[in-house]
Amino acid sequence: NAGVTQTPKFRVLKTGQSMTLLCAQDMNHEYMYWYRQDPGMGLRLIHYSVGEGTTAKGEVPDGYNVSRLKKQNFLLGLESAAPSQTSVYFCASSYGFRGGGETQYFGPGTRLLVL
Amino acid sequence: KNQVEQSPQSLIILEGKNCTLQCNYTVSPFSNLRWYKQDTGRGPVSLTIMTFSENTKSNGRYTATLDADTKQSSLHITASQLSDSASYICVVSDKGFGNEKLTFGTGTRLTIIP
Repeated sequence: NAGVTQTPKFRVLKTGQSMTLLCAQDMNHEYMYWYRQDPGMGLRLIHYSVGEGTTAKGEVPDGYNVSRLKKQNFLLGLESAAPSQTSVYFCASSYGFRGGGETQYFGPGTRLLVL
Repeated sequence: KNQVEQSPQSLIILEGKNCTLQCNYTVSPFSNLRWYKQDTGRGPVSLTIMTFSENTKSNGRYTATLDADTKQSSLHITASQLSDSASYICVVSDKGFGNEKLTFGTGTRLTIIP
C-alpha cells in the first residue's frame, strides 16, 4: 500500500514550457486535491475532484488545468509555466465529503522551479 | 476573510521537554479543526481532527485542545523527541453553503535539540 505518490519529485522548467504532474493513490479514495505550498504562506488549494471524471476550481486555479480520467489518478497541468508557479505542489486524497472531518492523505510533494 | 494564525513561528526546545503550540482562527461557520505534522521535504500527516463538540483529543504524545468560544486551539507535545522536529500546521474547515473550505495556517517550525 503506497498511499499517495507523486511524479516527478523535482523539475526545472523554463518560462513558457509545459508539464504535467501526476498523482496516484491506491486507497480507493473518491476525493483528490492539488495544493501549492509557498514560503510564508499556508497551503492553497488549486483544483480538486470529487470523483472520477469530475474537477472543480479551488482558491488559486489560474494557470493550471486538471484531469481525473481514472479514479486513482489526478493530473495537474501547466500549459505555459511562469516564474510565479515556482512552488512545492502537494497532492492529497480523502474518502468522502470534502472537508467534512475526513482525513486528507498527502503525497510527498513535487518541487517545481520555473526559470 | 477566513484566517488561521499560528504562534510562535518557530520554537527550539531540548529533547524531553514539553511544549505548546497555539492556533487562533477567524473561520465562520466552523466545522472542524485539524493539526498536521510536516517533516522537512515531506507531505503533511494528520495528527488530530476535532469538531465543535470536542475540546480535547490525543494522539500518543500529542494532545490538541479546542475552545470554540474563543476560537483558539493548542497542540501540546509531551516528552519531546528528536523525531518531533517538524512544522506543525493548524487547519480549520468551514461549513458554509455548498462545499467546505480548508484554511491552512503557515505553521510553527519546531526544532528539538539533544
